[in-house]
Amino acid sequence: ETVLTQSPGTLSLSPGERATLSCRASQSVSSSYLAWYQQKPGQAPRLLIYGASSRATGTPDRFSGSGSGTDFTLTISRLEPEDFAVYYCQQYGNSPSTFGRGTKVEIK
Amino acid sequence: EVQLLESGGGLVQPGGSLRLSCAASGFTFSTYAMDWVRQAPGKGLEWVSGISGSGGSTYYADSVKGRFTISRDNSKNTLFLQLNSLSAEDTAVYYCAKDSGVSKPYYFDYWGQGTLVTVSS
Repeated sequence: ETVLTQSPGTLSLSPGERATLSCRASQSVSSSYLAWYQQKPGQAPRLLIYGASSRATGTPDRFSGSGSGTDFTLTISRLEPEDFAVYYCQQYGNSPSTFGRGTKVEIK
Repeated sequence: EVQLLESGGGLVQPGGSLRLSCAASGFTFSTYAMDWVRQAPGKGLEWVSGISGSGGSTYYADSVKGRFTISRDNSKNTLFLQLNSLSAEDTAVYYCAKDSGVSKPYYFDYWGQGTLVTVSS
């Protein structure tokens, strides 16, 4: 199966700063079928990005996704207080679908 | 508005069984594949199982194959997951998720709030 490695494990930043999260796949992800989710404590995950770079309905434009093949990035241009959460990447191009272990974005 | 409401979780002994349900509304249920994703306490997300919109195709993670069975009742807009031969490693919050595709697992655009399954003696 395709293993997704997310880095860093924890990102400590201040509101207004830029966040760059990495997701690296153990093999090429077919058709850039890579999604990003946000999860806050006690809540279900929420879809942010699909197809590596397409924002889901309701995703603010400060969130952007990029990458292809084995290297993908989620960028939050300017952190808002509500953005501090855990972020997961998921690949759905290779079977079975797999998730990364998450990156926690915490307030510095 | 898409809504997914899971039920059926609880405490079960090792080796026991449980049946989870997910009532869906706000979209044409039979059009879309549906999935179950679980999250062990303090851990990350794990895709567990998926089913096509028609119910004719099912998909399982290796960790649950042969023990869990996914099904759906399109007349009642309800998704099910039958959990058998449970072990402590199956303890998790189980999320019902609407798939963005119609057949094989894709990305998940809506999620329920989850139901907790605890396997313990």
